[in-house]
Amino acid sequence: DQQVKQNSPSLSVQEGRISILNCDYTNSMFDYFLWYKKYPAEGPTFLISISSIKDKNEDGRFTVFLNKSAKHLSLHIVPSQPGDSAVYFCAASGTADYKLSFGAGTTVTVRA
Amino acid sequence: EAGVAQSPRYKIIEKRQSVAFWCNPISGHATLYWYQQILGQGPKLLIQFQNNGVVDDSQLPKDRFSAERLKGVDSTLKIQPAKLEDSAVYLCASSFAVNEQFFGPGTRLTVL
Repeated sequence: DQQVKQNSPSLSVQEGRISILNCDYTNSMFDYFLWYKKYPAEGPTFLISISSIKDKNEDGRFTVFLNKSAKHLSLHIVPSQPGDSAVYFCAASGTADYKLSFGAGTTVTVRA
Repeated sequence: EAGVAQSPRYKIIEKRQSVAFWCNPISGHATLYWYQQILGQGPKLLIQFQNNGVVDDSQLPKDRFSAERLKGVDSTLKIQPAKLEDSAVYLCASSFAVNEQFFGPGTRLTVL
């Protein structure tokens, strides 16, 4: 069963505009959430994370928002750049075992 | 710091054949993970090692998949015999701290 869902398989955005990626989870034991970025023929690389004690975490152009009551998180990229074109995976874990559960990914294409 | 190394990068085999993948984690990382990523899906954990002991292999199809991590460093993942549905990218990751996994480039397996 899929505990982490990314319902938008793809997103196209103009350079300079905001990209918003969404992620939903079902397991209430998850308390740590991460976003990974993946280029073709490379492994995923860590982008940003958030603990369940926070509702927002910011790192440069990337901000992650967490809504625990809705079991929803989102990643905002502002402004979007051509180098941001990649697949973005949402992942979650709980303190019980720290095992990562991944969503299916969202492919972001930034248009010039 | 060198990243996680994996080989081969690509492998094509016929069904019922055997195949093995190799992973060399980041130096000093005690925890090593093998993931299977089927096209259009997120990575799924197959097995997790802590040093040379297995922490979690609950999603490893043990009738055909096996993995070992001798001496707590390098690891190999084997499939014997392969099935068509094993076609996927096999990712190795390692970590020093919990919730901070570093991924290798993966091995793309095609089973014909």
